[in-house]
Amino acid sequence: NAGVTQTPKFQVLKTGQSMTLQCAQDMNHNSMYWYRQDPGMGLRLIYYSASEGTTDKGEVPNGYNVSRLNKREFSLRLESAAPSQTSVYFCASSLGGASYEQYFGPGTRLTVT
Amino acid sequence: AQKITQTQPGMFVQEKEAVTLDCTYDTSDQSYGLFWYKQPSSGEMIFLIYQGSYDEQNATEGRYSLNFQKARKSANLVISASQLGDSAMYFCAMRDWMDSSYKLIFGSGTRLLVRP
Repeated sequence: NAGVTQTPKFQVLKTGQSMTLQCAQDMNHNSMYWYRQDPGMGLRLIYYSASEGTTDKGEVPNGYNVSRLNKREFSLRLESAAPSQTSVYFCASSLGGASYEQYFGPGTRLTVT
Repeated sequence: AQKITQTQPGMFVQEKEAVTLDCTYDTSDQSYGLFWYKQPSSGEMIFLIYQGSYDEQNATEGRYSLNFQKARKSANLVISASQLGDSAMYFCAMRDWMDSSYKLIFGSGTRLLVRP
């Protein structure tokens, strides 16, 4: 049981390049999330998917797109990377419901130069 | 808007002693939930404990307990018998409903260092 997995773990991009961060969970969770964590701050929500087939914007969606490929997988795409997107990106999933915690992946450290 | 405030950027505690990490929150909702997560230097986010606003008793999970004071809007994490492995960043978070799911609103965190 791997929980939430993310690839890659590290990535360096040049300004204007594109890339996709992959996330998968094997806990049969309904909801999946993408957060970013900037230095000295807590996590902020980029996009989420309440259930398979739905996606919605979070607090900081500009510059990102997402795809809920199936119940297990939720990808985050940067179409044209900017230095302001240098951050650590976390994928999370939850069963759904008010009291269920979100389980986090190990994170992807992205640097845009 | 909901907000989480953690006023202690860093704290020290002696091994085997107890430590309290502060968290205050702001919400106009009657039903809400509060979470604590641990982030060690390796970077992953580890769920520690959850408290619902209607829970009458303070939540406990092993050495972790949540000192929930609703009138003061505080949800402090108490770690008893600190261990060296407790050295990490600790984040308080609040559940914020969004249609059919919820997001977590995080505080800025407290870095705890346990001294041997």
